[in-house]
Amino acid sequence: QQPVQSPQAVILREGEDAVINCSSSKALYSVHWYRQKHGEAPVFLMILLKGGEQKGHEKISASFNEKKQQSSLYLTASQLSYSGTYFCGTISMDSNYQLIWGAGTKLIIKP
Amino acid sequence: EAGVTQSPTHLIKTRGQQATLRCSPISGHTSVYWYQQALGLGLQFLLWYDEGEERNRGNFPPRFSGRQFPNYSSELNVNALELEDSALYLCASSLVTGRRPQHFGDGTRLSIL
Repeated sequence: QQPVQSPQAVILREGEDAVINCSSSKALYSVHWYRQKHGEAPVFLMILLKGGEQKGHEKISASFNEKKQQSSLYLTASQLSYSGTYFCGTISMDSNYQLIWGAGTKLIIKP
Repeated sequence: EAGVTQSPTHLIKTRGQQATLRCSPISGHTSVYWYQQALGLGLQFLLWYDEGEERNRGNFPPRFSGRQFPNYSSELNVNALELEDSALYLCASSLVTGRRPQHFGDGTRLSIL
């Protein structure tokens, strides 16, 4: 079952913060986050594993709430280069490592 | 280390024709995934191959098929092309584990006239 991403789109000014959520109705093994810029292939950002791990990459970090089966991606002091569509992918405990993708969140950063 | 490579970059076909798209995974990766991405939309899962076997397929008609070769490269075949098949076709590779990411190629842009 496809994870639900929210919001569908967000417009920010450079320097503002953003949070993108990814929720699943299934017990999750891992959550994967990717960013896709217009006309390019998706690029891997990070993986969060069962256990509530929080990972970070420069000013982009994420958390995984195992009880809620929800992950959040945090973009701090957003830069123009953060613009793009963010996809979460989830692997559930009852799957054979099949990654199921969310519909994506479009992030627009304005100067 | 070379990334995932896809060929051709662009492919123009007419309705009813057949298209073949190719993908070479990152060295050491045994799994190859195919996705269809229509303009401005999300990733629609097509096919997953691992160790030469089809592990899963998405909700696409049988005219979408593929295979994985002993060297783990893969090809996607689309028969009886329809206008709505126009899209970016992305290939990704990974190790089969929920702890490793999928790495994407740059895609093949298929246009049906």
